[in-house]
Amino acid sequence: AQSVTQPDIHITVSEGASLELRCNYSYGATPYLFWYVQSPGQGLQLLLKYFSGDTLVQGIKGFEAEFKRSQSSFNLRKPSVHWSDAAEYFCAVVDTGRRALTFGSGTRLQVQP
Amino acid sequence: GAGVSQSPSNKVTEKGKDVELRCDPISGHTALYWYRQRLGQGLEFLIYFQGNSAPDKSGLPSDRFSAERTGESVSTLTIQRTQQEDSAVYLCASSLVRVSGANVLTFGAGSRLTVL
Repeated sequence: AQSVTQPDIHITVSEGASLELRCNYSYGATPYLFWYVQSPGQGLQLLLKYFSGDTLVQGIKGFEAEFKRSQSSFNLRKPSVHWSDAAEYFCAVVDTGRRALTFGSGTRLQVQP
Repeated sequence: GAGVSQSPSNKVTEKGKDVELRCDPISGHTALYWYRQRLGQGLEFLIYFQGNSAPDKSGLPSDRFSAERTGESVSTLTIQRTQQEDSAVYLCASSLVRVSGANVLTFGAGSRLTVL
């Protein structure tokens, strides 16, 4: 079965600094990959997705992610973090057996002024 | 509707009671999912409905958990004889179904269950 690992449980960055959140997946074929964000007290919002084609995908709120097959990674990046980006970020992969998403354990982002 | 609606948003119950959580998916979305999110943890898959096909119940943690869906509309997740470890946010999501299986899920705001 497909799985997702987010190695960083908690990350703190200064406002205006760049950000990279790591995600590694386990899947033999080309995976379908997603990043979701969960702000305090809210549901999950889709940031971006990768199905095929260009390995650098753009999302909402200035986020981007790069699919690297050789590293089995799909890291999320943002060049300049805003205080409103403080949230929990989840990487997910489609479990083609279940037709559902398998989520990583999440990375909590704190933004310092 | 415009989004996925879940009710109640908050539920406090006593251990041993039964609870029902409701999910109203986006109109036209034939796939519906339930996930559980315990405090500070990721999302656990519970169950998946797709049209009139038999649901995938492989994520349900025990026989105290069950779910139903009426056609391609509302779904109800029922937890019988609740235990304290059932305390969590229960998230519902819906999606269109792609042939590739790359379904894009839209989530509701969740139902927070607290078992005392």
